[in-house]
Amino acid sequence: SQTIHQWPATLVQPVGSPLSLECTVEGTSNPNLYWYRQAAGRGLQLLFYSVGIGQISSEVPQNLSASRPQDRQFILSSKKLLLSDSGFYLCAWSTWGGARSEAFFGQGTRLTVV
Amino acid sequence: AQRVTQPEKLLSVFKGAPVELKCNYSYSGSPELFWYVQYSRQRLQLLLRHISRESIKGFTADLNKGETSFHLKKPFAQEEDSAMYYCALTPDNYGQNFVFGPGTRLSVLP
Repeated sequence: SQTIHQWPATLVQPVGSPLSLECTVEGTSNPNLYWYRQAAGRGLQLLFYSVGIGQISSEVPQNLSASRPQDRQFILSSKKLLLSDSGFYLCAWSTWGGARSEAFFGQGTRLTVV
Repeated sequence: AQRVTQPEKLLSVFKGAPVELKCNYSYSGSPELFWYVQYSRQRLQLLLRHISRESIKGFTADLNKGETSFHLKKPFAQEEDSAMYYCALTPDNYGQNFVFGPGTRLSVLP
C-alpha cells in the first residue's frame, strides 16, 4: 500500500534561518506531488506541485521554493525565513487519471518562525 | 484560472438537522469535483468524488454545471460530522493540480 511521510512534525525556527521540509512517498511511482499551506481562516493554499522529477510549478510567489530530486521525494525550502512563513504545511501526492485521482495527505508540519 | 469558493467559514447546526455546505467553482473546462474532510487530529482525507455518484456517511453532492456548484448535503447531521470540509477540483486532464477551497468548519451541536 502507498504511504506518505512528512517531517518534521513541528519546527521552531528563527527569522532569517533556512528551512528544509521533506516529504517522501512509498508504494507508487511517478506520483504528482504537492505542497500546501493550511492557514486558519484562509483554508488550503496550493504552494507548489510537481508532475515529475525536476518539474516544479509555483502557484504563489513567495519566500519559498520546492525541489523534486527523486521521483518520490519533494522538498520545501527557504533560504531566509520570514515571520509570515509560520503556518501548517501539508505534503500530498496523487495518482494520474483526472476523475479517478485522489490526493493523499501527510500529517503536516507546524512551522513557527520566531 | 481555476478557483473554488466556499462562502461559509463556519456552519453550526443541531444534531438531526439537515446540513448543506456550499461550494462554487470557476474553470473554463470540465473539472472533476471532490469533497475532502479533516476530522480533529486526523489527516485530510477524501470524503467523496463527483464521478462516483456515491453517498458516503450519509453525505451526497450534486454537480450543477449551470450554476457551477457542488454543494455537499446530508439530511440528518450527526455530532461526529463535526469537522473541516474542503471542496476541491482538478481538471479532467492527466497530471494536473488539485485546487482546494478555503474550507468550511461544520459544528454539529447536541
